[in-house]
Amino acid sequence: DSGVTQTPKHLITATGQRVTLRCSPRSGDLSVYWYQQSLDQGLQFLIQYYNGEERAKGNILERFSAQQFPDLHSELNLSSLELGDSALYFCASSASQDEQFFGPGTRLTVL
Amino acid sequence: LAKTTQPISMDSYEGQEVNITCSHNNIATNDYITWYQQFPSQGPRFIIQGYKTKVTNEVASLFIPADRKSSTLSLPRVSLSDTAVYYCLVGENNFNKFYFGSGTKLNVKP
Repeated sequence: DSGVTQTPKHLITATGQRVTLRCSPRSGDLSVYWYQQSLDQGLQFLIQYYNGEERAKGNILERFSAQQFPDLHSELNLSSLELGDSALYFCASSASQDEQFFGPGTRLTVL
Repeated sequence: LAKTTQPISMDSYEGQEVNITCSHNNIATNDYITWYQQFPSQGPRFIIQGYKTKVTNEVASLFIPADRKSSTLSLPRVSLSDTAVYYCLVGENNFNKFYFGSGTKLNVKP
């Protein structure tokens, strides 16, 4: 158990819809990272937040957005969903820039 | 951007030592090299991290030559449970971006 929690575990929705994925980092970790992993693909870095502020952006689509709240939990919002957005979405947290602790992921299925 | 290159897959047998090499020609001075292990449908898990020379912990060793343009993850006496994807990660310190390589799928056979 990494100490990072993600909800929901599974999410099934339809094209065009909007969903919100939630992540609670390890106690004390200020950084939160979001990754997308499509079937049999590597991890694609989406975005990083540090203590409530956006720190870095990776390959995140304009239809996607994220935020980190004062209690340090983070949400990833995915809108106008397409079939290709079906993937595992991982959240990770860290206290430093180096080692990241990953959550169990949210499996999103877009039908 | 410190791009990494790893073999796509490797096969091994139980009890053997496995060495997985990662190339990172554009590594920056402040970058650390980190390796993660990922089982299917699970989040990656930290294995080991190093900056130069050799680092060893209870599960693996990491060898980094002087030029730091590559690194080798060494897993001693692998078991079936070591079958997983192994990612080499080079932190881009200035911009805090973490790009995973393509990963190496290690298949350990009995």
